[in-house]
Amino acid sequence: AQSVAQPEDQVNVAEGNPLTVKCTYSVSGNPYLFWYVQYPNRGLQFLLKYITGDNLVKGSYGFEAEFNKSQTSFHLKKPSALVSDSALYFCAVRDRPPGGYNKLIFGAGTRLAVHP
Amino acid sequence: NAGVTQTPKFQVLKTGQSMTLQCAQDMNHEYMSWYRQDPGMGLRLIHYSVGAGITDQGEVPNGYNVSRSTTEDFPLRLLSAAPSQTSVYFCASRQGQGSSGNTIYFGEGSWLTVV
Repeated sequence: AQSVAQPEDQVNVAEGNPLTVKCTYSVSGNPYLFWYVQYPNRGLQFLLKYITGDNLVKGSYGFEAEFNKSQTSFHLKKPSALVSDSALYFCAVRDRPPGGYNKLIFGAGTRLAVHP
Repeated sequence: NAGVTQTPKFQVLKTGQSMTLQCAQDMNHEYMSWYRQDPGMGLRLIHYSVGAGITDQGEVPNGYNVSRSTTEDFPLRLLSAAPSQTSVYFCASRQGQGSSGNTIYFGEGSWLTVV
């Protein structure tokens, strides 16, 4: 079965510094990878996705993610963090069982705290 | 365009009670799903539907029922609530049945407490 792992429960960054939120995946076949963000007491919002093509994917709010096939990673990055980026971030991978329908499998989430 | 709408936002149930979480989307999406979110476990898929009249189980379906009589609505029923079902529930939808690259849109969540 497909899976994703987010090895860090929390990431702390100073405002203005670059941030990285890590995600590794395990899939059979070509991976379809996603990042979502959740602000307090809200639903998840789509940030970006990798389906095919350029390994560097640009998304909403200045975020980007780098797909690395050899390391099976899809880390989320931003060059300069903002306090307003503080939220819960989820990595997800498509799961498509044989003969079945596509579903998204989510990681456990990483809480990003950006300090002034 | 309201997107994905969930009701109620907050609910407290007693053990053994039943209730239905409502979900509606106005984007004409074929695919709809229910997730539950628990601390340290991310989102886990409960049930999903690829179109009216078609539903299937996700990772954690026990204790929940769904139906999909229309494209717009996908209610989640708790048959006999248990404290283990205390969680935040999210409804989601996306375009297409099998198209895996399409963005999933989430509702705002329903906070359920079972006492």
